[in-house]
Amino acid sequence: DAGVTQSPTHLIKTRGQQVTLRCSPISGHKSVSWYQQVLGQGPQFIFQYYEKEERGRGNFPDRFSARQFPNYSSELNVNALLLGDSALYLCASSRMTGTGNTEAFFGQGTRLTVV
Amino acid sequence: GENVEQHPSTLSVQEGDSAVIKCTYSDSASNYFPWYKQELGKGPQLIIDIRSNVGEKKDQRIAVTLNKTAKHFSLHITETQPEDSAVYFCAASSLDSNYQLIWGAGTKLIIKP
Repeated sequence: DAGVTQSPTHLIKTRGQQVTLRCSPISGHKSVSWYQQVLGQGPQFIFQYYEKEERGRGNFPDRFSARQFPNYSSELNVNALLLGDSALYLCASSRMTGTGNTEAFFGQGTRLTVV
Repeated sequence: GENVEQHPSTLSVQEGDSAVIKCTYSDSASNYFPWYKQELGKGPQLIIDIRSNVGEKKDQRIAVTLNKTAKHFSLHITETQPEDSAVYFCAASSLDSNYQLIWGAGTKLIIKP
């Protein structure tokens, strides 16, 4: 079985630009979460989607948005990029049964550099 | 909200020795505690997890213990090997937080040959 796949793996953008990151969860997993990991720190929660609905949002500005598609893949969009948005963006996939938390499996991440 | 503290930030052990990494959490409603291993340039890899109704869990050389009263949990790695060198993260989640993972700051584990 394929694991969580993210694309692209690396990206360089200019301040003020917009970026879209993509994630395909593990087959059968209906929940996708997005995390931002700045170098030397633990990941910070951005969004969680389950069955195409937003289930949680972290403390990030409105420049960050996301959506989940009928096939459970997801996109993370960041507008008006700032230098501080440079980070590794991680996507996590889980079964999320709704009756309890389940294991979250991560992709390899997208390394975003804003110049 | 939940806060997870992790110690130490760096741990250096001799190959073959044991390593212990400790985490404390603040939210008594937290009920799921995973540990992740992250190698350079890769995403975090789930290595073991424990739920609040269990005190200890083992998987070969790796074990996790949970003390709900003290709100702390620990990762134990025995017979360390060079491939254990990585950054290890603890995390916590609960129904109240919609199961979002709150992470510790990470421990860089160095295995000396």
